[in-house]
Amino acid sequence: DIQMTQSPSSLSASVGDRVTITCRASQSITTFLNWYQQKPGKAPKLLIYAASSLQSGVPSRFSGSGSGTDFTLTISSLQLEDFATYYCQQSFSTPITFGPGTKVDIK
Amino acid sequence: QVQLMESGGGVVQPGRSLRLSCAASGFTFSSYGIHWVRQAPGKGLEWVAIIWYDGSNKYYADSVKGRFTISRDNSKNTLYLQMNSLRAEDTAVYYCARDWGASGVRGYFDSWGQGTLVTVSS
Repeated sequence: DIQMTQSPSSLSASVGDRVTITCRASQSITTFLNWYQQKPGKAPKLLIYAASSLQSGVPSRFSGSGSGTDFTLTISSLQLEDFATYYCQQSFSTPITFGPGTKVDIK
Repeated sequence: QVQLMESGGGVVQPGRSLRLSCAASGFTFSSYGIHWVRQAPGKGLEWVAIIWYDGSNKYYADSVKGRFTISRDNSKNTLYLQMNSLRAEDTAVYYCARDWGASGVRGYFDSWGQGTLVTVSS
């Protein structure tokens, strides 16, 4: 199984900050890496697919990069509505696996 | 618009069975792979199973293999998850999620239901 790790596990940031979250796969997954945002009590929401493609309707302040084993999600200017938990997910092979999540809260 | 609505959750004793449903609308259900994903209270996301658009292929997480069965009825636009031999560690919110493609292979989950809570407890 492909193991996914994320760092940091949590971070505190202010509105307007640039935030970067890292995701690492235990083996190469080329660009089969997706990012989701989840708010408390809600279903996850797709932000980025195929490592760097922005899902329709998602603000352009979100961006993704990387390939192989190392990936990043960047929020260029954090907004109030961005405080949430973020998960990476690999779909290179089954079982599909998620990272443990990164919680972004208000400083 | 795409809608997925889970139902069938509740409290069940260890060792018993439960069947979840996921009713789909707003898209051609028979053209998409659909997943089940769960989230234990206060924990992260865990993929459970995928079924191809036509039901021809199914894959499971090791944690549920042999106990859970994913199925679909394309005539009713409905996905199912039959859960047998339930354990306390199966306690979670269960989400159905649409894959971008027909097979769920190398894709992403572009629409999710609101989830249904399953609690396994005596």
